[in-house]
Amino acid sequence: ETGVTQTPRHLVMGMTNKKSLKCEQHLGHNAMYWYKQSAKKPLELMFVYNFKEQTENNSVPSRFSPECPNSSHLFLHLHTLQPEDSALYLCASSQDLDRAHTGELFFGEGSRLTVL
Amino acid sequence: GQNIDQPTEMTATEGAIVQINCTYQTSGFNGLFWYQQHAGEAPTFLSYNVLDGLEEKGRFSSFLSRSKGYSYLLLKELQMKDSASYLCAVKDSNYQLIWGAGTKLIIKP
Repeated sequence: ETGVTQTPRHLVMGMTNKKSLKCEQHLGHNAMYWYKQSAKKPLELMFVYNFKEQTENNSVPSRFSPECPNSSHLFLHLHTLQPEDSALYLCASSQDLDRAHTGELFFGEGSRLTVL
Repeated sequence: GQNIDQPTEMTATEGAIVQINCTYQTSGFNGLFWYQQHAGEAPTFLSYNVLDGLEEKGRFSSFLSRSKGYSYLLLKELQMKDSASYLCAVKDSNYQLIWGAGTKLIIKP
C-alpha cells in the first residue's frame, strides 16, 4: 500500500457537476497539501493543512473547497468548475510544518481532472 | 518576483552522464529540493541541499552554490528507467516551496 493514496485517479465532469477528490495518507504525518499541476507549469500550491487546521489558502477560487476531517484524510470538493481547471491535482503530506525539518513531501499519484 | 529556471527538455544516451541545471531567484533561501516524476506517477523526493557543495547518493548527485543561485542534478550511468521529469524547488525565507516547471529527460538506447 502506497503512503499517500488518491481517488479517483481520473475524473471527467461537466461545469455544473459537483464532485470530490479524496486523499488518504498512511505515514502518520501531520501536514497535508493540495497542489495543481498543469502541463509545463510549476506546481501550484492550493491549500495547506497542519494538524487538521488550514494554514494556507493560496488565493484559490471558491469553486474549490477543501476539507480535512483528521490528519490522515484530505478532500477537495469541486463545483461549477471551468475548463481551465482541467489539470492533475496532487495531494502531498509531510511530517509537519516544523521548520527544523527538511519538509520532504510525499505525494500521491494524483487525480487527473477534465472539465468539459 | 520569485523564479526557478530549468530546461524544459533534455535528451541523453543510456549509459552516459547528464547534468540538469536549476537557477533560482527567491526572497531568501532555506534549502533546495530535487524530485523525480515518472509520467502518470507521483513525484518522489531525490535530494535536499541547504549548504554549498555536492551531495552524492548512488548514481545521483546534487550540487548547490548559494552565492550563484544555482544547483544541478547529475545522473550517471543513465538507465532507461531514468526517463522522467525532474523538478527543482526552493524553500524561500518564509519556508514556502517555489517550484520550477520541471525538466523532461528522455533517455535513448
